[in-house]
Formats: sequence, structure tokens, C-alpha cells
Amino acid sequence: NAGVTQTPKFRVLKTGQSMTLLCAQDMNHEYMYWYRQDPGMGLRLIHYSVGEGTTAKGEVPDGYNVSRLKKQNFLLGLESAAPSQTSVYFCASSPRGRFGYEQYFGPGTRLTVT
Amino acid sequence: SQQGEEDPQALSIQEGENATMNCSYKTSINNLQWYRQNSGRGLVHLILIRSNEREKHSGRLRVTLDTSKKSSSLLITASRAADTASYFCATVLTGGGNKLTFGTGTQLKVEL
Repeated sequence: NAGVTQTPKFRVLKTGQSMTLLCAQDMNHEYMYWYRQDPGMGLRLIHYSVGEGTTAKGEVPDGYNVSRLKKQNFLLGLESAAPSQTSVYFCASSPRGRFGYEQYFGPGTRLTVT
Repeated sequence: SQQGEEDPQALSIQEGENATMNCSYKTSINNLQWYRQNSGRGLVHLILIRSNEREKHSGRLRVTLDTSKKSSSLLITASRAADTASYFCATVLTGGGNKLTFGTGTQLKVEL
């Protein structure tokens, strides 16, 4: 099992450009999440999905869009990148459960917006 | 806003010593989880403790939870250089599905 994989690992964008980050998991998990991590801070939830075809906003959703067309994939889009979106982005997945389960994280994507 | 706050922000100890990190949170939780992050890497789950549990062990890790004080502690016994990492607590709020709210983390350095 590869677990959770993220593509790309690194990316540099100019302000106003767009890009899509891809997350894939092979554990048949229902739930998937996108977080961002900034220096000196913990992870903050951007968007999440509780199943194929569903998405919901997290704590910091502005400037991002997501799609979950297939159960194993969760895409994070930046339509018009801004320097404030310079961050490390982590994808995670977990099984569905009423009382919560551990989340499995990908290795991260380091994004710089100039 | 950060639900959890870790204390201390940074901790430096010698190999073989014990390391204790504390986490405080603000609202009612379903469970609390601890994660480790090595520099430049993704997070790795360490342990999950549910709101009706008071203590949990996993290898050299011991986690306690005091819901009346809204606090948790992570103890790593007999630390090794390989334990050098950032440690984060994360809470699942009551009625919050499986969404995690992370604290700011404790940077642990274990020196030889």
C-alpha cells in the first residue's frame, strides 16, 4: 500500500496563476481532508470530504476549491494564487466513524507564490 | 482559531530522559489525538484517547486526558535521538465529525 500520496511535491507559482494539487489514497477511506501548515502554527483545515461527490468547508476555505469525483482522489485547486497561499499543504484520509479515527497524512506539497 | 495549545513550545533533553508535553483545549471533545512530524515530513499518528478514557499507553508513550481541566499530556519515556520531532495534539470536537483541530505543537530535541 502506498497510503496517501500527493502530487506535486514542490511548486512555485506567480501571483494570479492557477494550479491543482492531487491527493490519492489506496486505503478505501471515506473521509479526506486538505490542510495547510504555516511556520510556527499547527495544521489548519481548508476543505474536507465525507464521501465521493461531497465536499465541505473547513476553517480557512477562501481562495481554494476542491472536488472528490472518485473515492480515492481529492483535488485542491487554487484559481488565482496569492502570496498569502505560500504554505505547505497536507492531504489526509480516514475511515468513517461516529467517534473519530486517526488520520493518515501524505508527505506534503510545498507551494511558493511569488 | 487554534483549539489546542501545547506547552512548552520547545523542549531540549538528553537521550534517556523522559519528555513531557502538555496540551490544553477549549471546548468539549469527542477524542484527542497526538501526532509526530519529523522535519519536512507529513504527520504520523501516535495515539488516540477518547473522552471517556483517562490514560492510554503505546510502547514508550503514555497519554493522559483530564476532561475537567480540558488538558492532556504526552509522556515519552527513555527518549532517543530519533524522537527528535514536532509533536502536535489535535482534537475532534463533540458533534464535529472526524475533523481535527490542531494545536501549535511542541518541538522536541533529544541530544546524544
